[in-house]
Amino acid sequence: DAGVTQSPTHLIKTRGQHVTLRCSPISGHKSVSWYQQVLGQGPQFIFQYYEKEERGRGNFPDRFSARQFPNYSSELNVNALLLGDSALYLCASSLVRGGLFFGSGTQLSVL
Amino acid sequence: QQQVKQSPQSLIVQKGGISIINCAYENTAFDYFPWYQQFPGKGPALLIAIRPDVSEKKEGRFTISFNKSAKQFSLHIMDSQPGDSATYFCAAQAETSGSRLTFGEGTQLTVNP
Repeated sequence: DAGVTQSPTHLIKTRGQHVTLRCSPISGHKSVSWYQQVLGQGPQFIFQYYEKEERGRGNFPDRFSARQFPNYSSELNVNALLLGDSALYLCASSLVRGGLFFGSGTQLSVL
Repeated sequence: QQQVKQSPQSLIVQKGGISIINCAYENTAFDYFPWYQQFPGKGPALLIAIRPDVSEKKEGRFTISFNKSAKQFSLHIMDSQPGDSATYFCAAQAETSGSRLTFGEGTQLTVNP
């Protein structure tokens, strides 16, 4: 069975640009979450979506937005990129609660 | 607000030794405590998890010990192997927060051959 897939794997952007990251969950998982992981730190929660509805939002500015599609895939959008947005962006899928299964992430570099 | 504190930040053990990583939490609403293993360039992988109704859970060489009154839990890796060298994260989840996980800061484990 395929795990959580994320695209692209790497991305380089400049300050002020916009970025869209994509995620496909494990088949049967209806919940998708997004996390930001800065080098040397634990992942930080950004969003959770379940059945296409936002179920939680972390302490991130409004420049960050997300959505979930009818097939349960998801997009994370970040506007007006800052240098500090450089990080590994992780998508995770799960059933309603319990263990989260992470993809390999998208490494975003903002120059 | 740091709700899950993890120690040590780094750990070096010899092959065959026992690796012990500790975590403490503050939020008494947490009711699910997973451990994740992360290799460079990869996402975290779920290793083992426990709920507070049990004090210990063992899966192969990995054991979680849980102390509800002290609000602490720990990961023990028995017979540590060089392939176990990775970063380990503890995490916690509250029923009121859906699937949201709060992670510790991570422990970089190195197992020398």
